[in-house]
Amino acid sequence: DVKVTQSSRYLVKRTGEKVFLECVQDMDHENMFWYRQDPGLGLRLIYFSYDVKMKEKGDIPEGYSVSREKKERFSLILESASTNQTSMYLCASSLGQNHPGELFFGEGSRLTVL
Amino acid sequence: AQSVAQPEDQVNVAEGNPLTVKCTYSVSGNPYLFWYVQYPNRGLQFLLKYITGDNLVKGSYGFEAEFNKSQTSFHLKKPSALVSDSALYFCAVRTPYGGATNKLIFGTGTLLAVQP
Repeated sequence: DVKVTQSSRYLVKRTGEKVFLECVQDMDHENMFWYRQDPGLGLRLIYFSYDVKMKEKGDIPEGYSVSREKKERFSLILESASTNQTSMYLCASSLGQNHPGELFFGEGSRLTVL
Repeated sequence: AQSVAQPEDQVNVAEGNPLTVKCTYSVSGNPYLFWYVQYPNRGLQFLLKYITGDNLVKGSYGFEAEFNKSQTSFHLKKPSALVSDSALYFCAVRTPYGGATNKLIFGTGTLLAVQP
């Protein structure tokens, strides 16, 4: 089975702190994604990556950056956390961009910014 | 632009009754359609997908969905609901075209509550 692991399930940070959310997948998937989930808004794509060192902005990239130095790892970075970034963050992976397959999700990281 | 609509924020059904969770989509060309389920404080789990072929797709946990091209719908169904089916359900769509911008677009989710 595909496993997507998010290193932190729950985090509490202060405004202005730098926050790292780590995600690792073990199935050699090309694509990796970061979404945030908020009530009534569903899932919104922050960034995605279709190859090592490649990244593309999603629908809401402002205030976030990402890093993909290795194929299996995709990190989401909040350079200076703000209270409006309090949310559930979901990492996902999938096969290559021309493959019609589904996304595989991690368990999520619930971030609270005080 | 592609989009997905889940018109019901919540669906209530009695255990043993059939359930339907609605989804409509807007996309250029033939869509790839997906259903996911999310239990409290967990990630999303894949239920089923429609890529091509038979309009009735069967998935995990006894769920199925019917692709209706004329109505641009992909409703999720189950003949007999269980209390354990209570969860948040997401519909998603993407286009079949390749490229780096080929993204999965999610609906806002429907909370299914099954009463014993």
